[in-house]
Amino acid sequence: EPEVTQTPSHQVTQMGQEVILRCVPISNHLYFYWYRQILGQKVEFLVSFYNNEISEKSEIFDDQFSVERPDGSNFTLKIRSTKLEDSAMYFCASIARKGFEAFFGQGTRLTVV
Amino acid sequence: AQSVAQPEDQVNVAEGNPLTVKCTYSVSGNPYLFWYVQYPNRGLQFLLKYITGDNLVKGSYGFEAEFNKSQTSFHLKKPSALVSDSALYFCAVREPSNTGKLIFGQGTTLQVKP
Repeated sequence: EPEVTQTPSHQVTQMGQEVILRCVPISNHLYFYWYRQILGQKVEFLVSFYNNEISEKSEIFDDQFSVERPDGSNFTLKIRSTKLEDSAMYFCASIARKGFEAFFGQGTRLTVV
Repeated sequence: AQSVAQPEDQVNVAEGNPLTVKCTYSVSGNPYLFWYVQYPNRGLQFLLKYITGDNLVKGSYGFEAEFNKSQTSFHLKKPSALVSDSALYFCAVREPSNTGKLIFGQGTTLQVKP
């Protein structure tokens, strides 16, 4: 069964450092997303990406965040200068077409120290 | 604005008993509704969805959910709970016209005791 894969599974970084979280969505999917889940809280939408551009972003997704799909398979989330409050589980998701369910990766646990 | 409410932080049931996890939503227009399950240190797994049609939808692992438009609810049910159903359950909503983003409820922990 096709799946969304994310690497690394766990990343520890110093405050102020840049991190890149990587995702490989399911190959024939067209819509891509990043969500985050702060420990013990609900899953929050960060950004959606379609046709090689951001289609929507939340207020959380400020100038410190960026997304790319550089080679048609990988989908990355970059945080330029991490803050303590960026510590969370980050999930990548993809959808084949609107109306279909989203498939989520296993997540990357980001710990900022 | 879209929103989803799961009024119970935790639901406890005995194995073999029926279970219900509640979800209500607020969205303009006809919603797309979803249930996901999350096991410890794992990603979100899709259980079932309502897009249109029959109000009772069946999903994975024997789960089903009933869409009730007048009550704006989409409760998750299972006739006979298993210990292995113990997990965190999220209800989510999506407006048909938007970019496909999901708005999640805060989650309900289901504890099934032997």
